[in-house]
Amino acid sequence: KNQVEQSPQSLIILEGKNCTLQCNYTVSPFSNLRWYKQDTGRGPVSLTIMTFSENTKSNGRYTATLDADTKQSSLHITASQLSDSASYICVVTDSYGNNRLAFGKGNQVVVIP
Amino acid sequence: KAGVTQTPRYLIKTRGQQVTLSCSPISGHRSVSWYQQTPGQGLQFLFEYFSETQRNKGNFPGRFSGRQFSNSRSEMNVSTLELGDSALYLCASSLDPAWEYFGPGTRLTVL
Repeated sequence: KNQVEQSPQSLIILEGKNCTLQCNYTVSPFSNLRWYKQDTGRGPVSLTIMTFSENTKSNGRYTATLDADTKQSSLHITASQLSDSASYICVVTDSYGNNRLAFGKGNQVVVIP
Repeated sequence: KAGVTQTPRYLIKTRGQQVTLSCSPISGHRSVSWYQQTPGQGLQFLFEYFSETQRNKGNFPGRFSGRQFSNSRSEMNVSTLELGDSALYLCASSLDPAWEYFGPGTRLTVL
């Protein structure tokens, strides 16, 4: 079973609307959680990174939340734009000595005018 | 400041061949990581190099290897290619281990 599960797998939203993406993980012990945005044909771009003690982090119209107790994170996109069409990937790092990474398979977001 | 560059961008090989991919990190970045991305498995971590030493390694067979040079440029090599090695190979460099900058990737197709 994958240690990081993202939902929904894909969604279509109207330009200007908000949406929320979910990331549930089982990685333990936990070090940090990152959200990446990946445009088609390009490498991922970091949006936010949160450690155990942080529960909210914003980057422009992107706001990530973290509940380390329930092992859940969400990425909220406010007032979506066509350029938000991309895959959003959740990555969780454990705090063992080698900092192992666990990857979600991504949320595919399509914003339509 | 120039971003992470990867060469070549596209590559077609046949089963049994070997391939070498190259990555030039952002100037001043000493950490370089490699990832494999496929539609079925998503992103998977291959290995990380820091100051010419492999610091971390994912769960890939020994056919996958890498190295880093004194100027921080890195190469990864895949020997005895299999069909399942077809993927986008991404390189990322960083100053802070938690904040990586990715290159555009090398699309490898194995026939």
